[in-house]
Amino acid sequence: GQQLNQSPQSMFIQEGEDVSMNCTSSSIFNTWLWYKQDPGEGPVLLIALYKAGELTSNGRLTAQFGITRKDSFLNISASIPSDVGIYFCAGLRWDSNYQLIWGAGTKLIIKP
Amino acid sequence: EAQVTQNPRYLITVTGKKLTVTCSQNMNHEYMSWYRQDPGLGLRQIYYSMNVEVTDKGDVPEGYKVSRKEKRNFPLILESPSPNQTSLYFCASSPRPRVIGNQPQHFGDGTRLSIL
Repeated sequence: GQQLNQSPQSMFIQEGEDVSMNCTSSSIFNTWLWYKQDPGEGPVLLIALYKAGELTSNGRLTAQFGITRKDSFLNISASIPSDVGIYFCAGLRWDSNYQLIWGAGTKLIIKP
Repeated sequence: EAQVTQNPRYLITVTGKKLTVTCSQNMNHEYMSWYRQDPGLGLRQIYYSMNVEVTDKGDVPEGYKVSRKEKRNFPLILESPSPNQTSLYFCASSPRPRVIGNQPQHFGDGTRLSIL
């Protein structure tokens, strides 16, 4: 099945640094979602984007729906230890029976 | 408390021994789905259900069955498990198939299956 290209695969950063990750696809999506997964738990929705060009914030998190509708990025500003986890992008196409297509995830690790 | 409950959380079993992973949600959601999560592959959808008695294949349905006899329950059945089905499984539910506003998919805490 199709999958989104999410990068980077993992990131080692210092506390306080800004973080940026993105997802790209060869297909157009109607909705982009960003989830975070903590160890031993299921993914939790962080931000949902519904319109091309849309820029949405949730606290220190900012995500954008690319103009081409084929990409999205997530930024985390001033990272803190609890930001550690795996971040997933997911895209939704209305003509695909509402199936979510997922990226492989970006693992965020904060160096002590 | 609104939640999606999966059982068991962990299971080690042998090839060919039928098993069922239960999923129950208490939010009266119409849409439920099953995913498997493997390293480097993210989440891949196995089956989903738009409503009671309506189920459809996702990306990786081979070797799995589901049923949706009641709105709250969506069990995942492995009739003859094989080692390549060793994975972390998540059940999810949402009010509607399409994410609208702040109505995301709610995920269970996962079931780790090991098939020897």
